[in-house]
Amino acid sequence: GAVVSQHPSWVICKSGTSVKIECRSLDFQATTMFWYRQFPKQSLMLMATSNEGSKATYEQGVEKDKFLINHASLTLSTLTVTSAHPEDSSFYICSARDPFSRAGGGYEQYFGPGTRLTVT
Amino acid sequence: QKEVEQNSGPLSVPEGAIASLNCTYSDRGSQSFFWYRQYSGKSPELIMSIYSNGDKEDGRFTAQLNKASQYVSLLIRDSQPSDSATYLCAVNMRQGSGGSNYKLTFGKGTLLTVNP
Repeated sequence: GAVVSQHPSWVICKSGTSVKIECRSLDFQATTMFWYRQFPKQSLMLMATSNEGSKATYEQGVEKDKFLINHASLTLSTLTVTSAHPEDSSFYICSARDPFSRAGGGYEQYFGPGTRLTVT
Repeated sequence: QKEVEQNSGPLSVPEGAIASLNCTYSDRGSQSFFWYRQYSGKSPELIMSIYSNGDKEDGRFTAQLNKASQYVSLLIRDSQPSDSATYLCAVNMRQGSGGSNYKLTFGKGTLLTVNP
């Protein structure tokens, strides 16, 4: 399967600071990437869809000014958590669509290893 | 609201048994179905994709799809303790009416424990 990497794998930051998380597709070009958040023992929650060269589409209830997404190339999307607060502490996971896996109107999606964010 | 429903579990099976995981979905127009495995503290890993009615086998895993019943399942044969994880059913669902914009919708997952 396709490989997606994330960096950093974990980060601790102070309240009020910003944190940038990178997501890369290593062996394919991803026109579409997704950012998820997962709290302990809860389901994945889609935050936004990132399309290369255009603005991200945010899910209802996700603040676009707080979670800045940039998809500047076909292999890199970044998520910046601005003015982080303790309630933003979570497991952030990116995912990328493999454009060569299209079948039945959809694409296979591969996940990065995730970034664990702790805001103190 | 387009939904994916899974048995919440937890499901516990002895080592060597067959584990059966089930999933139903609400959007009759869905065409792509996936099973992900998520170990505690890790991100989801794609283990099976299925697009046509019937069975698809890959090693110890068999995915079954019945579009008429809007039902997809995953069978794990000869279950091993290393199979203990949460299994997520995911369905590519069309967003809005018509168009070609699809989004993966996840079930809440079924926690599987395989006892040695």
